[in-house]
Formats: sequence, structure tokens, C-alpha cells
Amino acid sequence: QKEVEQNSGPLSVPEGAIASLNCTYSDRGSQSFFWYRQYSGKSPELIMFIYSNGDKEDGRFTAQLNKASQYVSLLIRDSQPSDSATYLCAVNSLGSGGYQKVTFGTGTKLQVIP
Amino acid sequence: SAVISQKPSRDICQRGTSLTIQCQVDSQVTMMFWYRQQPGQSLTLIATANQGSEATYESGFVIDKFPISRPNLTFSTLTVSNMSPEDSSIYLCSVEGRGQDYEQYFGPGTRLTVT
Repeated sequence: QKEVEQNSGPLSVPEGAIASLNCTYSDRGSQSFFWYRQYSGKSPELIMFIYSNGDKEDGRFTAQLNKASQYVSLLIRDSQPSDSATYLCAVNSLGSGGYQKVTFGTGTKLQVIP
Repeated sequence: SAVISQKPSRDICQRGTSLTIQCQVDSQVTMMFWYRQQPGQSLTLIATANQGSEATYESGFVIDKFPISRPNLTFSTLTVSNMSPEDSSIYLCSVEGRGQDYEQYFGPGTRLTVT
């Protein structure tokens, strides 16, 4: 079982709609959960993180966390063509040597259609 | 968040050679991380570099192939040794944020092509 699972997409939504991106994780000890946006040819950019069950809102973005179900989601309201990118879900866990590390999912490609 | 730069931004190298990638941060950070992103894939952690100690490598990565230096709190290098075409990838360094939530911020990446 992969540590962090995402649907690879592409997820196509019309401009102005809500895009819903989902992620599941396997490590119940994980404490922090992240959403990164990666444009083609660019490095990942952190857009949201969440560590408590429930919702966290930041502008057009809402992250949702359900630790009991080991499920994280990202909602993008009023989707814009500029939101078209790959969205990476990431989760912290204990790495080699006892350091905290971040494990990334394979990403969901979002296409916002004008 | 910290400003992170990497050199070179891209390179084309012949198999059997080595390339050293530099990562510079504009503020002091304890932990630096090196990732690989192969074409169409997600990010895979190569190693964690803590200043003043040996780098800690993830499963599947070894020091002989990917030696790392961390001479101070703002700089690190990753060397890709004895390269083969399978090493063609984007190599990214990252640093942790100032909070306690383990978030990471990435440099622009180095695109390596091995012929």
C-alpha cells in the first residue's frame, strides 16, 4: 500500500466551479498534512497545511482533514484557468534516522476549462 | 518563507561522470532535504542533511552514489556520481519552515539529463 494515495486525474472542471481533490494516507501517526501546487516545469509551492480535524480556509482554498478516515481533501472555489496544475498531497512521518520527513503522493492534475 | 536558490538550473551530462548541485538559503536552517522527481513522477526523498552530522539517506539511496555536504546552516551540495541515463531527473532541495508543522519550501530545482 502506498503511503499517500491520490487519483492522478486529470480532473477537469469548468471555470467558476468547485474543484475537489482527495488524498488518503496510511500512517496513523502523521500529524501534519500539506497541499502543494506544481505548475509544469516548476518546483512545488506550498498552498495549505492542516493539522487538526475539520476544515481550514484560506481564500478560495479549503483543506479538510478526517484523521479517523485517514483522509485529506482540498476544495478550490471559483476555479480559474490559472489553477490548472498538479496538486500534491503530502504527509509528515518519521523517516530514517529519527527525523520527521514529508512523503508526497503522486499528484492530481487539475484542468480548469475556460 | 526562506528564499532558496540552486545551481545549476539544468545540465546535460555524459554517462559515467558526476555532477554537483548546490543549494543556497538566505537564512540559517537546521534541516535541508534533497529530493528527486523523475519524469511524470512525484517527489522522492533522497536524504536529510543536518548541519554538523552525516546525511541520513532513505531506503534505495546510498552515500557512494549521492554524497551530500552540509558545511554550514545556509548551504548544501548533492553530488550525483557515476551517472547513468536513469539518473535523468529533477533534483530539488528544500528546507523546513520556521513553524513546528514540518512544512517544507522548495528551491527551483536542477533539471539533469544524462546521455
